[in-house]
Amino acid sequence: EAQVTQNPRYLITVTGKKLTVTCSQNMNHEYMSWYRQDPGLGLRQIYYSMNVEATDKGDVPEGYKVSRKEKRNFPLILESPSPNQTSLYFCASSLSSPTSGFPDTQYFGPGTRLTVL
Amino acid sequence: GESVGLHLPTLSVQEGDNSIINCAYSNSASDYFIWYKQESGKGPQFIIDIRSNMDKRQGQRVTVLLNKTVKHLSLQIAATQPGDSAVYFCAENNYGQNFVFGPGTRLSVLP
Repeated sequence: EAQVTQNPRYLITVTGKKLTVTCSQNMNHEYMSWYRQDPGLGLRQIYYSMNVEATDKGDVPEGYKVSRKEKRNFPLILESPSPNQTSLYFCASSLSSPTSGFPDTQYFGPGTRLTVL
Repeated sequence: GESVGLHLPTLSVQEGDNSIINCAYSNSASDYFIWYKQESGKGPQFIIDIRSNMDKRQGQRVTVLLNKTVKHLSLQIAATQPGDSAVYFCAENNYGQNFVFGPGTRLSVLP
């Protein structure tokens, strides 16, 4: 089954304790992205990746890191989480980049609910 | 499940009626649009898309209408069912830019 998976689905942590949220897709998609979703706001992009070893900042990158060492995986790293990073996080992938001029549908993972105390 | 929007506009419809969900997009240069459905506790799910060279596109029980003159997008759901209850939001894409997502509308289907 074609899908995007994220782990963990739920995480409660404390300020300053490094964490990683994993994302994996099995569709051989070039483009992957991380979003956060907060009440009353639309999805806001954190980081994205056009391909292996190619990552770039989205609209709200502060406090986050990513890596793309393999095509299928795109982990989100919070080196020193803070309470304002409490949010619902989604990983997404698509065959082509939205900036390519020929955007394709983005497929989303099930989400990771992060609470930073 | 998670709350994706505590203060979203809500549309309530009777089961079996047609639903119309509206979206005002921001960029007149946007040329690709997607409607997503997000159920409680799940990630957004693709419903239908449309490119700016079209005014209308139909899928199974869903129709998207695009009015570029007033920058308006609508999603019509025919014969709404309880399983259609969810948050619906649109996304716009401008050539060479990333997607911009709207905050969404909550659809509530009444028995």
